[in-house]
Amino acid sequence: DAKTTQPPSMDCAEGRAANLPCNHSTISGNEYVYWYRQIHSQGPQYIIHGLKNNETNEMASLIITEDRKSSTLILPHATLRDTAVYYCIVIEAGTSYGKLTFGQGTILTVHP
Amino acid sequence: ETGVTQSPTHLIKTRGQQVTLRCSSQSGHNTVSWYQQALGQGPQFIFQYYREEENGRGNFPPRFSGLQFPNYSSELNVNALELDDSALYLCASSRTGTSYGYTFGSGTRLTVV
Repeated sequence: DAKTTQPPSMDCAEGRAANLPCNHSTISGNEYVYWYRQIHSQGPQYIIHGLKNNETNEMASLIITEDRKSSTLILPHATLRDTAVYYCIVIEAGTSYGKLTFGQGTILTVHP
Repeated sequence: ETGVTQSPTHLIKTRGQQVTLRCSSQSGHNTVSWYQQALGQGPQFIFQYYREEENGRGNFPPRFSGLQFPNYSSELNVNALELDDSALYLCASSRTGTSYGYTFGSGTRLTVV
């Protein structure tokens, strides 16, 4: 699976959009981009995933660049409860989706 | 639907002992994975079970073993505990054939003294 690079930490004001970048320059054509987050003392939580089109669900939006070498997770109106570690993971389609390779992730701190 | 439940939530063991951690999958899920998360690190994949057999393993020694039962629940067993085994152990379940991510439990915090 391709390696991902994320900034170690980011801050965001409550109510503003949080934009979390992820670099996956070695991604191959059949690899998906997944985002998980982990709130303190809890297990990781699935947020969203995509292949090449932008995706949106009730939690977030995922913007994938046309060359697929990077992506951005957008939390449109961040709340204090969004403070967590956010992980960007690349997974090959058709393989075991259970073998997730977590990096260090981005610590997002949402402040009042 | 119920989520993934793990037991116990906390556990203290002595070096050299053996430990069994338990996981109940989310309803409708048939695949289970286990992860180890050391303090300040991301989770590390231990292994995955499907149809009661191990079908993927990370870089962990054989003293880490597991079971999956017909009801898709699972156990993680660790023999000859070492101090470095102190970590949060996470169980995750999914339904094979879907790509909508894994559901994680809240984990078991194991401390080896």
